[in-house]
Amino acid sequence: DAKTTQPPSMDCAEGRAANLPCNHSTISGNEYVYWYRQIHSQGPQYIIHGLKNNETNEMASLIITEDRKSSTLILPHATLRDTAVYYCIVDLNYGGSQGNLIFGKGTKLSVKP
Amino acid sequence: DAGITQSPRHKVTETGTPVTLRCHQTENHRYMYWYRQDPGHGLRLIHYSYGVKDTDKGEVSDGYSVSRSKTEDFLLTLESATSSQTSVYFCAISLTSGRGDTQYFGPGTRLTVL
Repeated sequence: DAKTTQPPSMDCAEGRAANLPCNHSTISGNEYVYWYRQIHSQGPQYIIHGLKNNETNEMASLIITEDRKSSTLILPHATLRDTAVYYCIVDLNYGGSQGNLIFGKGTKLSVKP
Repeated sequence: DAGITQSPRHKVTETGTPVTLRCHQTENHRYMYWYRQDPGHGLRLIHYSYGVKDTDKGEVSDGYSVSRSKTEDFLLTLESATSSQTSVYFCAISLTSGRGDTQYFGPGTRLTVL
């Protein structure tokens, strides 16, 4: 089972920042936090990942709390094309050579004009 | 976007027929994965490969087989398709399987078994 808890849905106004929370209270010290999104039946799209420090790339910023029990994905200026299901993943199955990503239910983000 | 293609993109078949889905990558990544996505279940790993001719089972491997004869191609075969295998199938690739690496997904194949 996924080790993360996300709100099932969120709304955001176009042009505003979208802040998507994720709780992962059982995360272990060497597990990364990954964020993917899936736009209407397309393949999941990688957004960002991090271990301890905050991370930023051209798509988003990832803020991880100091105790690593929660994180927030920030889309700084949401557009209608950011409407998607966003998955927070910390359960990278590391048994042997199997790098399985275990997806939970995610947060459906609706960006509204 | 990562250079991953899947074929066919859509397929309708009948129960009992064999079906092969193809994943092709141009990134020369060592690891390749097949997932299926169903409502209420999210994405689940079927099989994965950690090199040419090196494959192993994932969470939901029953009824599926895979082959990888070249780095760039990973085939998923349903020997005798059943209605329960109606799903959307995604291929993914990664350079390593280690923590901190990233998996990139293909566009998916929508399979309907009648």
